[in-house]
Amino acid sequence: AQKVTQAQTEISVVEKEDVTLDCVYETRDTTYYLFWYKQPPSGELVFLIRRNSFDEQNEISGRYSWNFQKSTSSFNFTITASQVVDSAVYFCALTSYYNQGGKLIFGQGTELSVKP
Amino acid sequence: DVKVTQSSRYLVKRTGEKVFLECVQDMDHENMFWYRQDPGLGLRLIYFSYDVKMKEKGDIPEGYSVSREKKERFSLILESASTNQTSMYLCASSPINLGQGNTEAFFGQGTRLTVV
Repeated sequence: AQKVTQAQTEISVVEKEDVTLDCVYETRDTTYYLFWYKQPPSGELVFLIRRNSFDEQNEISGRYSWNFQKSTSSFNFTITASQVVDSAVYFCALTSYYNQGGKLIFGQGTELSVKP
Repeated sequence: DVKVTQSSRYLVKRTGEKVFLECVQDMDHENMFWYRQDPGLGLRLIYFSYDVKMKEKGDIPEGYSVSREKKERFSLILESASTNQTSMYLCASSPINLGQGNTEAFFGQGTRLTVV
């Protein structure tokens, strides 16, 4: 069975601090995708990144970076120099490579609060 | 701008009522999904559909049904609402995965349903 664990339920930081959101997954599939989504107070999930299991390169996009480590089944997300607008609930998700996009196993979510 | 639109942001219904949650997407996507979101549990898949008139059960289908008469519209039906169905419901859509690796899903803004 597939499972995604986000052990941090809530994180609170002060603006400009760096923060890392942890994601650990379990799957028997050899090929799979991992995702991060952001859910601001408006409610809509916003796609941040998709990473396939073939590619263990870390990725950086502006203040966001992702560390994928197959050896530890982790896909952690770091926000550098956090801002108030980063306050949201963040979800990590997993799906098999050949599943239809959207058929996802989600973690419990981490609520990030960035205070000015 | 691509969009998944859910007909209501907030709904209050009485126990035993038949409830319809509507979702429309304008991206000509083949796949559509219904999730429910509960604190500490993340998002869980209720039903999904790969094509018009097709449906498949997700992880928690009990107490729900769906209807997809047109490609752009996917309805979630609570035949007899109960208080344990009080939750946030999120609709999503994605293009079909033809074996080249799946894509991200696009989510609506959610419907917060309260059953009293």
